Amino acid sequence: ETGVTQSPTHLIKTRGQQVTLRCSSQSGHNTVSWYQQALGQGPQFIFQYYREEENGRGNFPPRFSGLQFPNYSSELNVNALELDDSALYLCASSPQGGLRGGGELFFGEGSRLTVL
Amino acid sequence: KQEVTQIPAALSVPEGENLVLNCSFTDSAIYNLQWFRQDPGKGLTSLLLIQSSQREQTSGRLNASLDKSSGRSTLYIAASQPGDSATYLCAVSKYSGGGADGLTFGKGTHLIIQP
Repeated sequence: ETGVTQSPTHLIKTRGQQVTLRCSSQSGHNTVSWYQQALGQGPQFIFQYYREEENGRGNFPPRFSGLQFPNYSSELNVNALELDDSALYLCASSPQGGLRGGGELFFGEGSRLTVL
Repeated sequence: KQEVTQIPAALSVPEGENLVLNCSFTDSAIYNLQWFRQDPGKGLTSLLLIQSSQREQTSGRLNASLDKSSGRSTLYIAASQPGDSATYLCAVSKYSGGGADGLTFGKGTHLIIQP
């Protein structure tokens, strides 16, 4: 069974640029969510995708957007990067129903984004 | 708004000791509570999941309890080992009535086990 995989592991961007992060969910999981973890903080919920639709969103501006594909993999896109976007971005997958179904979340290793 | 607090923020103990990490949350309307481990610069590893209807879960040397009415959970680690050194995060999923709120995390307890 393959776990959650994320790419790239590290990347550096400059202010104003755009970035795309990718995630492959664990086998059999159709719900994917994204979290942002700043240094020394707990992760914060960005949004969740189920059956290719966004079905929940945290307190993040519209320049944070995402996609989920038919194979349940997902992308996180961030436009107009700001210095405060520097963080570890974590992807998590869960079985059908996700959190509302009482499901457990399984996280990838994350993508470390540095914005200069 | 759900808030999760973890105490202590940091803990350093000698190898072999039993220890307790604490987690509290402000809104008891949760689906479940999950404990995670995070090594420096790495992702999160799920340790234990407790459904809202359960009181505790055990896995090896780990035992987690949940008192939903008082908004508290504890993670008990028996016979600690240097390999247990990591940051331990508590997270709750809250019922919102519509959509998914995601997990709400505490800031974690940074644990160091001295050899």
